[in-house]
Amino acid sequence: DGGITQSPKYLFRKEGQNVTLSCEQNLNHDAMYWYRQDPGQGLRLIYYSQIVNDFQKGDIAEGYSVSREKKESFPLTVTSAQKNPTAFYLCASRQAAHDTQYFGPGTRLTVL
Amino acid sequence: EDQVTQSPEALRLQEGESSSLNCSYTVSGLRGLFWYRQDPGKGPEFLFTLYSAGEEKEKERLKATLTKKESFLHITAPKPEDSATYLCAADILTGGGNKLTFGTGTQLKVEL
Repeated sequence: DGGITQSPKYLFRKEGQNVTLSCEQNLNHDAMYWYRQDPGQGLRLIYYSQIVNDFQKGDIAEGYSVSREKKESFPLTVTSAQKNPTAFYLCASRQAAHDTQYFGPGTRLTVL
Repeated sequence: EDQVTQSPEALRLQEGESSSLNCSYTVSGLRGLFWYRQDPGKGPEFLFTLYSAGEEKEKERLKATLTKKESFLHITAPKPEDSATYLCAADILTGGGNKLTFGTGTQLKVEL
């Protein structure tokens, strides 16, 4: 099965702890993206990467970090510096400009 | 600043009652306009991409159209299974590659 996997589906953490969200794709896509979704708000871009070992800050990068060591993987770390980390996190990928951008199933992070 | 606005925020229809959802955009360098459907707790599902004014695309009861300032998603004779949040996004080319800017969505409820 080709697609984007995110794990886990639900994640709970204590305040002040860093947490890493996984995103893997087997679509051979070059570009990968991380979004955050809050109730009543659209998707907001956190980080994106067009190629391995390179990534760009999106609109709300503060308190987050990423790495892109492999084409198929783009993990997102939510650090203790992120003031409101509780949200639904979505990973996406696309092959090239003009091509469709596909989304994973999402990870719901709750910080207690 | 690039901006995408969707209206209405919420829409309640009777089964078979056709209507339209609006997506207006103010962006520099639009590469394409994407429509997605999102069910609660899930990742967005791709519906359409429109690239130029005057373009139309159809899928079952849905038809998307594009002008220079806005896009419409027309829903003909909707069924309860069409209930979902519909998201539009403008595809913009940046120095770091393509990225989507999303509207806040229209939550559609279709009742029997």
